[in-house]
Amino acid sequence: QSALTQPPSASGSPGQSVTISCTGTSSDVGGYDFVSWYQQHSAKAPKLMIYEVNKRPSGVPDRFSGSKSGNTASLTVSGLQAEDEADYYCSSYAGNNNYVFGIGTKVTVL
Amino acid sequence: QLQLQESGPGLVKPSETLSLTCTVSGDSIRNGDYFWGWIRQPPGKGLEWIANVFYTGDTYSSPSFKSRVTISIDTSKTQFSLKLTSVTAADTAVYYCARLRRFADYVDSWGQGTLVTVSS
Repeated sequence: QSALTQPPSASGSPGQSVTISCTGTSSDVGGYDFVSWYQQHSAKAPKLMIYEVNKRPSGVPDRFSGSKSGNTASLTVSGLQAEDEADYYCSSYAGNNNYVFGIGTKVTVL
Repeated sequence: QLQLQESGPGLVKPSETLSLTCTVSGDSIRNGDYFWGWIRQPPGKGLEWIANVFYTGDTYSSPSFKSRVTISIDTSKTQFSLKLTSVTAADTAVYYCARLRRFADYVDSWGQGTLVTVSS
């Protein structure tokens, strides 16, 4: 199975919004509403930010939102803050008890 | 509060077997709402799912690793383990143990990760 496609980088100034795309196929992103997003600060374990396309775990700010259209899911971070600077990874269920991650996007707060 | 702690050798020789154990505390390893799994991250690269195990012993592996990987669980010790055979330098990575929510398919808890280097 192939990794999901994400842009290598994205950036925005404090207070702005940034949107990261995650493109797969009809066998993963397009086939299931089981897309999740993870934030990873350097040398740390990832942290769940969004699950089931657009649900936020408790404790995650509502500045983080998710959506999906066809084979592409998206994560939007509104009102960018310095602490949002991190790597972001999408993940999707791919059927047959299989999972696939995206290649990751480095978000820079300018 | 769930805690996951990886343990195992940090250095493995090429062609040998990588063995890691994850100790679970703070929640029951028999919780039927979750899988227990392993995910790795090569230096400077992205995340890669390896395998999951259910408390009953049912296992699921990524096609990328299927022939080399064994995942198992010991509920009496509240531990689950990973074995990866015939390792090469490409298997050098930080290995995370994790808890995955069943029927929603997301990771809600991660261990801190352990770096395994494959080198002679």
